[in-house]
Amino acid sequence: QVQLQESGPGLVKPSETLSLTCAVSGGSISTTNWWSWVRQPPGRGLEWIGEIYHSGNTNYNPSLKSRLIMSVDTSKNQFSLKLSSVTAADTALYYCAREANSSLAYWGQGILVTVSS
Amino acid sequence: DIVMTQSPDSLTVSLGERATVNCKSSQSVLYSSNNKNYLAWYQQKPGQPPKLLIYWASTRESGVPDRFSGSGSGTDFTLTISSLQAEDVAVYYCQQYYSSPYTFGQGTKLEIK
Repeated sequence: QVQLQESGPGLVKPSETLSLTCAVSGGSISTTNWWSWVRQPPGRGLEWIGEIYHSGNTNYNPSLKSRLIMSVDTSKNQFSLKLSSVTAADTALYYCAREANSSLAYWGQGILVTVSS
Repeated sequence: DIVMTQSPDSLTVSLGERATVNCKSSQSVLYSSNNKNYLAWYQQKPGQPPKLLIYWASTRESGVPDRFSGSGSGTDFTLTISSLQAEDVAVYYCQQYYSSPYTFGQGTKLEIK
């Protein structure tokens, strides 16, 4: 059973870069699946951030594209997200997830990132 | 972007009764080459990540109770819980996977009457 675990700082200052990593266990990241990030502001709905393939191909939400970089490290079986120039609007619970059958079948538990000075 | 609109925003149903959540997309999510609707349903309980219930609009994910069913095609979709159980209290989201960005509906909060 695939398991995902997010890690990274829980507090980021405004204008700085938010960096998160998702560790994949129970299976290889080098499968025919895409790996996604989704976020959820406190008390609100879900927003798809983007996805990455093990080859490094990416697909970003245009609303975040100018500030977003995703990367994959197949040797460590993990993938990462960097979101630059953050503001309070980027405060959210960030989830990593794995696509299967054109849906998000596996999810991490999420990590709360607060943007505040 | 494809806009996903769910109705109602909240729903109160008695135990054992049927619950219905609707989801409408601003454009068709039916992929004509394979006749599949790229529409998924998720359940999110407080303090937990979303859980996949239904993909391709009507295919139940492994392990999901058969009281959950999905229907619809094109732009109009429905999630039905045939006999509501206490553990079904949650927020339900639809998501289109037809075209990027893969947008979600705003969520429907289901409570027990």
